[in-house]
Amino acid sequence: NAGVTQTPKFRILKIGQSMTLQCAQDMNHNYMYWYRQDPGMGLKLIYYSVGAGITDKGEVPNGYNVSRSTTEDFPLRLELAAPSQTSVYFCASSYLPPRWLNEQFFGPGTRLTVL
Amino acid sequence: RKEVEQDPGPFNVPEGATVAFNCTYSNSASQSFFWYRQDCRKEPKLLMSVYSSGNEDGRFTAQLNRASQYISLLIRDSKLSDSATYLCVVREGGADGLTFGKGTHLIIQP
Repeated sequence: NAGVTQTPKFRILKIGQSMTLQCAQDMNHNYMYWYRQDPGMGLKLIYYSVGAGITDKGEVPNGYNVSRSTTEDFPLRLELAAPSQTSVYFCASSYLPPRWLNEQFFGPGTRLTVL
Repeated sequence: RKEVEQDPGPFNVPEGATVAFNCTYSNSASQSFFWYRQDCRKEPKLLMSVYSSGNEDGRFTAQLNRASQYISLLIRDSKLSDSATYLCVVREGGADGLTFGKGTHLIIQP
């Protein structure tokens, strides 16, 4: 199993550009998450999904959009990139929700810089 | 506001020593607790879940104190490979998302 994969690993955007961060998992997990981690800060939840076709906002959803058309894929869309979106983005998945003390598996991250 | 607070460190500890650090959480309705480990420029990985009665996994022991709203992590016989940032993670009641602390940076010195 490849686990959770993310592309690209690095990206530099200009202000106002758009891009999609790709995330895929091959563990047949229903639950998927997008987090951002700013330097010296904790991870913050952007969006999450409890299954194909179902998504919900996390703590910091503004400026982002997601879709979940399949169990495997959970892309994160940035529209009109801003410097405040410079961060490391982690995608994660889990078989069960956190209430079952279930492990979240993280991808290697995408390092995004907006200039 | 939901808060998970950790001492950022760094904790500089000689190899073989025992080290412990705490994490406090503000929401008394929090129901699930975890310790994740994050190596430099890598993704977080689950170290251990924290059970109400406390639990041990090899050299690692986690404790939960609901009355005082903190969890702790104890590492015995520390190894150089234990050098990492340890993230305290809490699930708020009724939510499916997790709240992460900023992490405690641990450096094990030879």
